[in-house]
Amino acid sequence: ETGVTQSPTHLIKTRGQQVTLRCSSQSGHNTVSWYQQALGQGPQFIFQYYREEENGRGNFPPRFSGLQFPNYSSELNVNALELDDSALYLCASSRTLSMNTEAFFGQGTRLTVV
Amino acid sequence: AQTVTQSQPEMSVQEAETVTLSCTYDTSESDYYLFWYKQPPSRQMILVIRQEAYKQQNATENRFSVNFQKAAKSFSLKISDSQLGDAAMYFCAYRSAGLTFGEGTQLTVNP
Repeated sequence: ETGVTQSPTHLIKTRGQQVTLRCSSQSGHNTVSWYQQALGQGPQFIFQYYREEENGRGNFPPRFSGLQFPNYSSELNVNALELDDSALYLCASSRTLSMNTEAFFGQGTRLTVV
Repeated sequence: AQTVTQSQPEMSVQEAETVTLSCTYDTSESDYYLFWYKQPPSRQMILVIRQEAYKQQNATENRFSVNFQKAAKSFSLKISDSQLGDAAMYFCAYRSAGLTFGEGTQLTVNP
C-alpha cells in the first residue's frame, strides 16, 4: 500500500505568479485535505475534498483553489502569489469523511515566493 | 470557530523518563475528536493517538497516553519511557471539517 505522495518537494516562484501543487492519495482513500504550515507554526486548514467535491474550507482567500480527480488525487492551485504564501504545504488523505478516521500525511511541498 | 492552544513551545526529557505535553481547546460542539500528531525533521505528520470526546476512558497506545478532561477542555499527552526517537514537534489537533492544530511543542530527548 503506497502512502501519500506530494510533488514537487521544493518550489521557488516569483510574487504574482501562479502555482500548482499535486498530491496522490493513499490507495482506497476518498477524502483529501490541504494545509499550509508557515515556519515555526502549526498547519492551517485550507480545504477538504470528498469524492471530487469541496467539503469544508478554512480561512483562506479564493485565490487558493483545488481539485480532486476521479482517482482521488488532488491539486492545490494558488494564484497571484504573495510573499506570505511561502510555507510548507501538506496534503492528507483519509479512508472516509468520518471525523475519527486517521489522516495520513505526505511529506509536503516547500514553496518559496520571492 | 474551534481553537487549540499549546502553551509549551519547547520541552525536554531525559531518556527513559516521562514527560507530559499540554493542550487546551475551545469548542461549542459536544461530539468531536482530538488527536496528537508528531512531526519529525522529515516533515511528515504521524498520528500518535486519538480520543473520542464521548468516551470518558482515556486513550492509550503503548507508551503514549492522554489525560482528557472534557469539562476543562484539556487534552494532555503523556509519553512514558521516553526514547531518542520520540524527539519531534508534537501537535495537538481538533477534528471538524479538517484538523485545527495548535502551535506545537518541540520535544527534545536527552541521552
